[in-house]
Amino acid sequence: DGGITQSPKYLFRKEGQNVTLSCEQNLNHDAMYWYRQDPGQGLRLIYYSQIVNDFQKGDIAEGYSVSREKKESFPLTVTSAQKNPTAFYLCASSIEGVTEAFFGQGTRLTVV
Amino acid sequence: AQSVTQLDSQVPVFEEAPVELRCNYSSSVSVYLFWYVQYPNQGLQLLLKYLSGSTLVKGINGFEAEFNKSQTSFHLRKPSVHISDTAEYFCAALKYNFNKFYFGSGTKLNVKP
Repeated sequence: DGGITQSPKYLFRKEGQNVTLSCEQNLNHDAMYWYRQDPGQGLRLIYYSQIVNDFQKGDIAEGYSVSREKKESFPLTVTSAQKNPTAFYLCASSIEGVTEAFFGQGTRLTVV
Repeated sequence: AQSVTQLDSQVPVFEEAPVELRCNYSSSVSVYLFWYVQYPNQGLQLLLKYLSGSTLVKGINGFEAEFNKSQTSFHLRKPSVHISDTAEYFCAALKYNFNKFYFGSGTKLNVKP
């Protein structure tokens, strides 16, 4: 079955450590997205990519980095510069600009 | 600027009662509109979408929504809710030929027995 896979589902890290969240899709979608979700704040866009080797900052990119070396993969690194990294992170993909976004099951990151 | 507003953060309702979750969007250009549902600790699942054509859109699980261009609204409705409909619902907009989605802040639907 086609879909988006995020791993791991739960992730614990110590403060000051970088951590990378995985996102893989086999839907052959060009566009991929990372969102952060906090209680009562909906989804906020971190980064998005429309094509391999290209990506754009979203509304809250500070403290995060991404890469898009393959069409299928869009990993997100949460760096030590992110002041409050504990959150639920969602990856999504879509056919460029014309359809709905498909979402992964999310990764819950807890920094202690 | 493009934005999506969900007017109610929480909606309590009794089982088998009707429900309406409100969504308004602001845009000077045409958009595609979506409703998603999210169960705890899961991703978002598409309920329905409006791309063009009939303004009344039917989705999964008995939900429907009506696109109203003059009022820039896309309210979600269900004539009779079930306990299993308890979840958070998100309205979203996508500008034609752009890759950026705009999400509302979500409405938590709590169906009581």
